[in-house]
Amino acid sequence: AQSVAQPEDQVNVAEGNPLTVKCTYSVSGNPYLFWYVQYPNRGLQFLLKYITGDNLVKGSYGFEAEFNKSQTSFHLKKPSALVSDSALYFCAVRDTYGGSQGNLIFGKGTKLSVKP
Amino acid sequence: DGGITQSPKYLFRKEGQNVTLSCEQNLNHDAMYWYRQDPGQGLRLIYYSQIVNDFQKGDIAEGYSVSREKKESFPLTVTSAQKNPTAFYLCASSPSLMEGTQYFGPGTRLLVL
Repeated sequence: AQSVAQPEDQVNVAEGNPLTVKCTYSVSGNPYLFWYVQYPNRGLQFLLKYITGDNLVKGSYGFEAEFNKSQTSFHLKKPSALVSDSALYFCAVRDTYGGSQGNLIFGKGTKLSVKP
Repeated sequence: DGGITQSPKYLFRKEGQNVTLSCEQNLNHDAMYWYRQDPGQGLRLIYYSQIVNDFQKGDIAEGYSVSREKKESFPLTVTSAQKNPTAFYLCASSPSLMEGTQYFGPGTRLLVL
């Protein structure tokens, strides 16, 4: 079955330190991968996506993600965390199979907490 | 939240009542989606529509209904058959079903009285 896993429910980071939010996936064929961020009581905001090409994808607000085909991972990273980065982060993969082809499959989300 | 609006921001449902959540987009997108978000469960797809006058059930369609009479609008009705409707509902759109970047509205929180 096609799926996305975010193994950490919460990640805690000190401001100024690098952050990583992990995501692994399982799909048939070439994966289309996405990261979204959600602030409390708000909709999801698109951060970045990988379709093809360079394995390091740069996105909004200084975030980047690294696609690793052998490890089936797409981890979100930022060199220096800000308190304002505290939010819920979702990884998603585009479904490539059957009648639901094209729809996004979302992970359960990782809560990022950045302390001053 | 871009060019997608959802109303109301909060909605209260009484026992046995149907309620309708509004979703409008001015992005000229063909595809639209409804998701339900519960704490710790991520987003689950309720219904989606690839084009006007066409829609498909998602993973948790029971107790919900939709219509797509206009390109800009994709209202969701939560019927009395949905026994646990309390959740945060998110609407999204994308240029097409195969153009996977979805853009989300601000959400509607539905509460049961």
